[in-house]
Amino acid sequence: KQEVTQIPAALSVPEGENLVLNCSFTDSAIYNLQWFRQDPGKGLTSLLLIQSSQREQTSGRLNASLDKSSGRSTLYIAASQPGDSATYLCAVHTGGFKTIFGAGTRLFVKA
Amino acid sequence: EPEVTQTPSHQVTQMGQEVILRCVPISNHLYFYWYRQILGQKVEFLVSFYNNEISEKSEIFDDQFSVERPDGSNFTLKIRSTKLEDSAMYFCASSVNGVGGTDTQYFGPGTRLTVL
Repeated sequence: KQEVTQIPAALSVPEGENLVLNCSFTDSAIYNLQWFRQDPGKGLTSLLLIQSSQREQTSGRLNASLDKSSGRSTLYIAASQPGDSATYLCAVHTGGFKTIFGAGTRLFVKA
Repeated sequence: EPEVTQTPSHQVTQMGQEVILRCVPISNHLYFYWYRQILGQKVEFLVSFYNNEISEKSEIFDDQFSVERPDGSNFTLKIRSTKLEDSAMYFCASSVNGVGGTDTQYFGPGTRLTVL
């Protein structure tokens, strides 16, 4: 059974710092992996989607990497800003129509 | 930009009552999903829906739950007899193609269900 784990559970950093969020999954047979952002009281917003054949994806200050064989992904946020404060969720798709989520990393960027 | 909408934003109900949560997916999307998130816990997949039928459901989605696309725009989740443990945020999502490809799911803002 696929399990997705995210470390750390919470992170507080000063503005401008570069940071890395970690995601691990137990079954390497995935089709894709996504990183989402969740703001309080709002839905999930997709940030990056990495296909199983890809190693990384970039969007602006965000870079996500995927090492399928080791069951790991990282989300790198460059030059963090207070507006980046949110919960970041990692999710994998292993077949069918189901997406399996991690518990998230709650990020707080201090001004 | 097109978005998924959900109503109501907050629903309070008594245990044993029926509730219907409503969603309007993005108009050209073909795949629809419901997820739930119990406070402080992970987002959990409930069901996916395509071509007017359930394509996959989780073990959470038992006989108390049903989904329907009553017209060309709405997608609903019905809970027949609510339990205290059904209290959660329920998210609707939609996508052009099914998950597993290059398409992402677009999520609605959620409906917070509180069962008393």
